[in-house]
Amino acid sequence: KAGVTQTPRYLIKTRGQQVTLSCSPISGHRSVSWYQQTPGQGLQFLFEYFSETQRNKGNFPGRFSGRQFSNSRSEMNVSTLELGDSALYLCASMDPGVQNIQYFGAGTRLSVL
Amino acid sequence: QKEVEQNSGPLSVPEGAIASLNCTYSDRVSQSFFWYRQYSGKSPELIMSIYSNGDKEDGRFTAQLNKASQYVSLLIRDSQPSDSATYLCAVNMFSGGYNKLIFGAGTRLAVHP
Repeated sequence: KAGVTQTPRYLIKTRGQQVTLSCSPISGHRSVSWYQQTPGQGLQFLFEYFSETQRNKGNFPGRFSGRQFSNSRSEMNVSTLELGDSALYLCASMDPGVQNIQYFGAGTRLSVL
Repeated sequence: QKEVEQNSGPLSVPEGAIASLNCTYSDRVSQSFFWYRQYSGKSPELIMSIYSNGDKEDGRFTAQLNKASQYVSLLIRDSQPSDSATYLCAVNMFSGGYNKLIFGAGTRLAVHP
């Protein structure tokens, strides 16, 4: 089985722009979670989607949003980028039937200049 | 109090020694616990999951769980330089009707020859 695929791997944006990141989960996994990882804050939970519905959300401003498609692929959007949004964004997919184990993609490294 | 706490390290051990990594968590009803390994610049990789009190062994790795003390640990026997990485403790916590995975800040392990 192919693993979790995230695109693009690297992005450079400027303040005020918006960005969309993509995540394709492991085949058969319907849950996709997004995380932000920074040196200062560690891995922070953004949100989780399951069957096209957001069912859990972390403490991030409304500039961070996401969606999930019928094929379980998910996108995450960040609008009005700030310097502090520079981070590694990780996507993880989970098969809820296997005791909540999450598998991570390689991540998207976002740099905001 | 943080939901999942780990000593940030670095924990330095000689090659061949036992490395002991510790984690405490705040939610008494948590049922699923995970250890992930993250090499610099890479995404987290699951190395152990544990759900019941006691020890669980997998090769050189042993996870230990004590729910009464809200404590989970990871022992790495015969440590190798290739084990040098950041180890993330993750705990499933129930929020908003669903589980979400909360990560500790990670412990950096350095195994020196």
